[in-house]
Parts: sequence; C-alpha cells; structure tokens
Amino acid sequence: DTGVSQDPRHKITKRGQNVTFRCDPISEHNRLYWYRQTLGQGPEFLTYFQNEAQLEKSRLLSDRFSAERPKGSFSTLEIQRTEQGDSAMYLCASRGGSSGLNYGYTFGSGTRLTVV
Amino acid sequence: KQEVTQIPAALSVPEGENLVLNCSFTDSAIYNLQWFRQDPGKGLTSLLLIQSSQREQTSGRLNASLDKSSGRSTLYIAASQPGDSATYLCAVTSNSGYALNFGKGTSLLVTP
Repeated sequence: DTGVSQDPRHKITKRGQNVTFRCDPISEHNRLYWYRQTLGQGPEFLTYFQNEAQLEKSRLLSDRFSAERPKGSFSTLEIQRTEQGDSAMYLCASRGGSSGLNYGYTFGSGTRLTVV
Repeated sequence: KQEVTQIPAALSVPEGENLVLNCSFTDSAIYNLQWFRQDPGKGLTSLLLIQSSQREQTSGRLNASLDKSSGRSTLYIAASQPGDSATYLCAVTSNSGYALNFGKGTSLLVTP
C-alpha cells in the first residue's frame, strides 16, 4: 500500500471518553499533518510533524488534544474528555521532499468521529 | 491570516460543458497553491499543484492557473463528465507557515 492509511475509519464515542486515532504516512515522507474537517467546511490545520518533531500547532489544538510521532513514522492523535463539538472528520496527510514546500500533499481517507 | 475564498459554492452543469471554478486568497506571499477533489465522506485527492513561480499546470482535462499578484487561481475543467461530480477545494501554503489554508470548496454536480 503506497497511500496514507488512517485507522479507524469511523468512531462513535460517548461524551467524556478518550479516543485515539492512528495515521500511517507514505513511508518515505518525513512531513505529517493532521487536519479537522466539519460538514460544509474546508479542512482546518491542527498540527505538523517533521520526522518526530512537532513543529507547529494550531490554536484549535486545545489541551485536550495531543499528537505524537514517536519514531518519525506513524502518528497518533488523542482527544481526551471528548465533547460533541469534537465531532468531525480527522484527516492525516503526508508530504515528501528533502527541502522546500513545493511537494504535493497526500491525504488519507480520514477518521470520522461522532460524539454522542 | 491567510483567507481563501471559493466561488461559486455550488455549481450544476450538464455533461459536456466546460466550466471554471474560482479561488482567491488574501496574502500573495505563498509557496504554492493546490487543488483537491473530495468525494462525499472521503479524503482528499490531489489534482494539481502550482508553485509560486508558475502560472499554470495541466493534467488531462484539468487546467489550473495562478495569478499570485492578484491573489487568484482558476480551475478549468473541459468536457465535464458525471464522474467529475465532487467538491473541489483550493488550498495555499503561505510563506509564514507550514499549513495548508483551505477554502470551503465548490460542490460540482454534472448531470447526464
């Protein structure tokens, strides 16, 4: 599989529970991004990793959200004490290129989270 | 803060028509602009990437142009087909950060 994989595809959870999503990027891509998309909106940036270093975080990423990329390969996004407003599609993307930003992004199929 | 706007929000055309989708952005200091396609409930598929030094890119029936100084891009789809029905998203990477800034998309319906 040469694409970006996300797991699970769907998650339904009760308010207040913790959830964790996983993203496996394209193996040779050193840059990994998390985005969140709600219905009728474009994706919103959450956080960015270059290798294992988390280089940028959006103000959207409250203290209930944490992301890791421990070995510079797969990444996890955890949401603690979920709220109904967290219901969204969580998208992971990766990008290659040893320098510069002029390499296209490859997105996964997303994890759809529903908080009830 | 970079703002990306896409017009129209929705478009319905009969099969075979040529069509243009518009994207504008407020900060012309960009590295690149990318067009994506998104099918309902799915992730994004990259269509075209235009570097800031380029004026256009073509792939099959798709042609994207970039006018960085005026903050505009267009996506031209020739001879539209029902399979082109999807939401088309425009996104820019600004000089000020690593993130893609997306518009809300144009929802396209091509009717047989």
